[in-house]
Amino acid sequence: GAGVSQSPSNKVTEKGKDVELRCDPISGHTALYWYRQSLGQGLEFLIYFQGNSAPDKSGLPSDRFSAERTGGSVSTLTIQRTQQEDSAVYLCASSPSDRNTEAFFGQGTRLTVV
Amino acid sequence: AQSVTQLGSHVSVSEGALVLLRCNYSSSVPPYLFWYVQYPNQGLQLLLKYTSAATLVKGINGFEAEFKKSETSFHLTKPSAHMSDAAEYFCAVSDQLSGGYNKLIFGAGTRLAVHP
Repeated sequence: GAGVSQSPSNKVTEKGKDVELRCDPISGHTALYWYRQSLGQGLEFLIYFQGNSAPDKSGLPSDRFSAERTGGSVSTLTIQRTQQEDSAVYLCASSPSDRNTEAFFGQGTRLTVV
Repeated sequence: AQSVTQLGSHVSVSEGALVLLRCNYSSSVPPYLFWYVQYPNQGLQLLLKYTSAATLVKGINGFEAEFKKSETSFHLTKPSAHMSDAAEYFCAVSDQLSGGYNKLIFGAGTRLAVHP
């Protein structure tokens, strides 16, 4: 499709398990963002990619969180040893990177840790 | 670094009343500003953007925003609220990082409720 695609749309996992969230950005978009949105909360920035490099990882909440991007396209966000406080909607967005262009968001992955 | 402040985490209006959602920014360079809307259980959708052309920007669904440099503001308005406008609204500014990278900085969001 033409939009940002995230999978899975919903994920329920047991506490202590690892999870991988996937983001397929819009073709040609060099910038890619991951955000987290807890229930009723705003957007928490996690990490930003420009191509395959991540010039800003400042939002990753702990070393259990990591992300990579390969081929300047698909990105995966990995959460190791999940905790209940990791439950949230994880949103991915991509952009052509020009300052005057907006980011396009996926529908998000709703992660529930039980 | 640039930042965005949205005044009022919750705003409630009557159907047909004026909607005013406030956004103030700080920026060391000419800003590029955006308003997004998030309907329940959906991703974010662009409402409108300011990119240094006209200071009054019109967006989708009857929303508009005015860039006021002297007030460092970019408030979102709609003359007459509809029930369907109930959603979360986010203001964002495009930051410029060292190395020429750009990054969107979001405000905390304002939840708009519309009652009959």
